[in-house]
Amino acid sequence: QTVVTQEPSLTVSPGGTVTLTCASSTGAVTSGYYPNWFQQKPGQAPRALIYSTNNKHSWTPARFSGSLLGGKAALTLSGVQPEDEAEYYCLLYYGGVWVFGGGTKLTVL
Amino acid sequence: QVQLHQSGPGLVKPSQTLSLTCAISGDSVFSNSAAWNWIRQSPSRGLEWLGRTYYRSKWYNDYAVSVKSRITVNPDTSKNQFSLQLNSVTPEDTAVYYCVRDMEWAMALWGQGTLVTVSS
Repeated sequence: QTVVTQEPSLTVSPGGTVTLTCASSTGAVTSGYYPNWFQQKPGQAPRALIYSTNNKHSWTPARFSGSLLGGKAALTLSGVQPEDEAEYYCLLYYGGVWVFGGGTKLTVL
Repeated sequence: QVQLHQSGPGLVKPSQTLSLTCAISGDSVFSNSAAWNWIRQSPSRGLEWLGRTYYRSKWYNDYAVSVKSRITVNPDTSKNQFSLQLNSVTPEDTAVYYCVRDMEWAMALWGQGTLVTVSS
């Protein structure tokens, strides 16, 4: 069974930069996994941030960016704001099947 | 403006079938660029993709291994909607269920979510 792994938790200071990663148990993540990233705050549905590795939606703040880094998908937040405190999930495509990561709880402190 | 609106019961008895519907407005279930997905979320299982249906000259389906023996996702072309059926449910199937449009590898459009509780 395919497993997608994210850091369980990360802490960042306001104004700082943090990178969240998303690894696949099958090996290196490539663009062919069409990585998607989502932000979720308590009591809300997930909100899409990034698709196909590094494409932003029209509502995605400029401080969010997606990339491939060291065989993983990555989400970088630059100039973190207090409102960025949330759970972040990645989603990878495996030729017909999508698999979510377990999520990263980002604390802004 | 494209919207997805979910409907269906919030309480299902163990061993019975969970049925939800997702009505599409502003797009077509026949779209050649979209796939129509069901995703659920529970504290124990996190976010879990369940399955999808999509049209590319004919209808296709894909399902997660974890539910493959119990799930059906079907289009309802007469009503421009799609549905989820999950058979033989147990309390482990208690979750918030979402319908989601995947448009060219972007899972951007989500329904409002439906909390389904499996309990007698």
